[in-house]
Amino acid sequence: DAKTTQPPSMDCAEGRAANLPCNHSTISGNEYVYWYRQIHSQGPQYIIHGLKNNETNEMASLIITEDRKSSTLILPHATLRDTAVYYCIVRVPLKAAGNKLTFGGGTRVLVKP
Amino acid sequence: GAGVSQSPSNKVTEKGKDVELRCDPISGHTALYWYRQSLGQGLEFLIYFQGNSAPDKSGLPSDRFSAERTGGSVSTLTIQRTQQEDSAVYLCASSLIGRGNTIYFGEGSWLTVV
Repeated sequence: DAKTTQPPSMDCAEGRAANLPCNHSTISGNEYVYWYRQIHSQGPQYIIHGLKNNETNEMASLIITEDRKSSTLILPHATLRDTAVYYCIVRVPLKAAGNKLTFGGGTRVLVKP
Repeated sequence: GAGVSQSPSNKVTEKGKDVELRCDPISGHTALYWYRQSLGQGLEFLIYFQGNSAPDKSGLPSDRFSAERTGGSVSTLTIQRTQQEDSAVYLCASSLIGRGNTIYFGEGSWLTVV
């Protein structure tokens, strides 16, 4: 699976949009971009994933650049409960293979009042 | 159930004792994963099951660690002769195999070896 690079930490203001960048310059054509987050003392929580089109769900939006070498997770209105470590992962979800998630260091996001 | 269920949620055991941790995956999910996370550390892959295929055991740290998955559903992770460095949260996850293949995690079993 392609390696990802994320800033180690970032702060954002409550009620504002939080934009979390991720670089994955070695991504291959069949690799998806996944985002998870881990709130303190809880299991990782799936947020969103995409291949090349931008995606949106009730939690966040995922913007993938045209060359797919980077992406941005957008939390439209950050709340204090969004404070967590956010992980960007790229992988190929093959039908017959496991393709375990390989977690890097992630971005520690602190939402401040 | 609605999500991945793990038990016990907390376990304190004495060094040298064996422990068993249980995982109930999301109903219908064919793939099951075990990870562990030591305090302040990242997630470490342990083992993966998919249907009737041989499990991927490449992440098991030693032969004291083993896992089974019976009937393609419930899984048990066993740690024999526990050591203090085994203290961690053990996370189970499951997924369908197919488009997207999103992996969903349980809340983990917190193991403390004293």
